[in-house]
Amino acid sequence: GENVEQHPSTLSVQEGDSAVIKCTYSDSASNYFPWYKQELGKRPQLIIDIRSNVGEKKDQRIAVTLNKTAKHFSLHITETQPEDSAVYFCAARSGGGADGLTFGKGTHLIIQP
Amino acid sequence: DAEITQSPRHKITETGRQVTLACHQTWNHNNMFWYRQDLGHGLRLIHYSYGVQDTNKGEVSDGYSVSRSNTEDLPLTLESAASSQTSVYFCASSEATGVTEAFFGQGTRLTVV
Repeated sequence: GENVEQHPSTLSVQEGDSAVIKCTYSDSASNYFPWYKQELGKRPQLIIDIRSNVGEKKDQRIAVTLNKTAKHFSLHITETQPEDSAVYFCAARSGGGADGLTFGKGTHLIIQP
Repeated sequence: DAEITQSPRHKITETGRQVTLACHQTWNHNNMFWYRQDLGHGLRLIHYSYGVQDTNKGEVSDGYSVSRSNTEDLPLTLESAASSQTSVYFCASSEATGVTEAFFGQGTRLTVV
């Protein structure tokens, strides 16, 4: 089955700086890579996703890049703000899309004022 | 508005008891999933369903069962609760076709004593 590794487990950055979270996956058939943000005590919520036929996607301060050859994808947050503090999870879905997502173990992002 | 809801939000039960966690979605999604979330493990897939009368085992299915008698509901049953099943449980749903976003419920915090 799919295996997703996520690094770092904790990331502390100064407000206004950029943050980068990296993930690798094992199944070359995986074709959908979402990123979820989870605030303390809340449900995971999708912030951005990318499909395997796209190399990069951007939505305001958030961007995701995908390297299918190397089987890794990254989340980039620019101009970080206090409300960006949360746990971020990457995930991968293989096959036809109906199977459940395989998640990384999460990155606790801390924005220092 | 369409949504996905879980009940109860919190539950304390004794070892050996049978427990059922409810999940109800009004998105009319064919795909439904159950995950458990534990510190250091992220979100792990327990069971999933592609539609009515369909159920499949995920990564950590031992000790759990699901049934799908209609589109809206996927209850999760712990046959004989164990302390190792103390966790936060999330239900999710997604559309059947293509690779699409999974929407999560609010979560159920289960404590087995």
